[in-house]
Amino acid sequence: GQQVMQIPQYQHVQEGEDFTTYCNSSTTLSNIQWYKQRPGGHPVFLIQLVKSGEVKKQKRLTFQFGEAKKNSSLHITATQTTDVGTYFCAGRNTGGFKTIFGAGTRLFVKA
Amino acid sequence: SAVISQKPSRDICQRGTSLTIQCQVDSQVTMMFWYRQQPGQSLTLIATANQGSEATYESGFVIDKFPISRPNLTFSTLTVSNMSPEDSSIYLCSVADLISTDTQYFGPGTRLTVL
Repeated sequence: GQQVMQIPQYQHVQEGEDFTTYCNSSTTLSNIQWYKQRPGGHPVFLIQLVKSGEVKKQKRLTFQFGEAKKNSSLHITATQTTDVGTYFCAGRNTGGFKTIFGAGTRLFVKA
Repeated sequence: SAVISQKPSRDICQRGTSLTIQCQVDSQVTMMFWYRQQPGQSLTLIATANQGSEATYESGFVIDKFPISRPNLTFSTLTVSNMSPEDSSIYLCSVADLISTDTQYFGPGTRLTVL
């Protein structure tokens, strides 16, 4: 069955350092979504990528979708304490009906 | 995006009892989902609830344990029946965006503790 793997599981950074989380699927994806969940909160939709090789930016966040549509990454430049939380990727394989969530990467930012 | 509310926000229940969680959306939506999330873990889909049809359950989840109602396009309930401590978790409802249906918006969640 479809699997979505996400690494790393945890990342501790000093404020101002960059951070990247990676998402890999065992199958080709129709699209991929990224969500952020603050501690004690609920997942909040950040962005959706649809096209092969697509790159989107939201301020200090850069999202990429791989050429083969099997992997994706989220890069945060110059992290801030407000970036703390767990980042989830989620994708649906081509022809499938269900969205699968990755395990998430928990980001800790030390001021 | 849709605004979603859930009731209750948290509850502590005795084993063997049942709890019904309500999910209210501020606009009409077609697809609603119920998830379970253990602390520090990812989201596990329980079932998909579409108005006018029976809920579709994922492997490992059955209707007798998690009955779902979807009486209209803005409301759904999930009941956790005959609870045991293993049911302690956060339960989240979500809705699919009307246009980009793979995008989901989540409610604030219900934190359930079963003693």
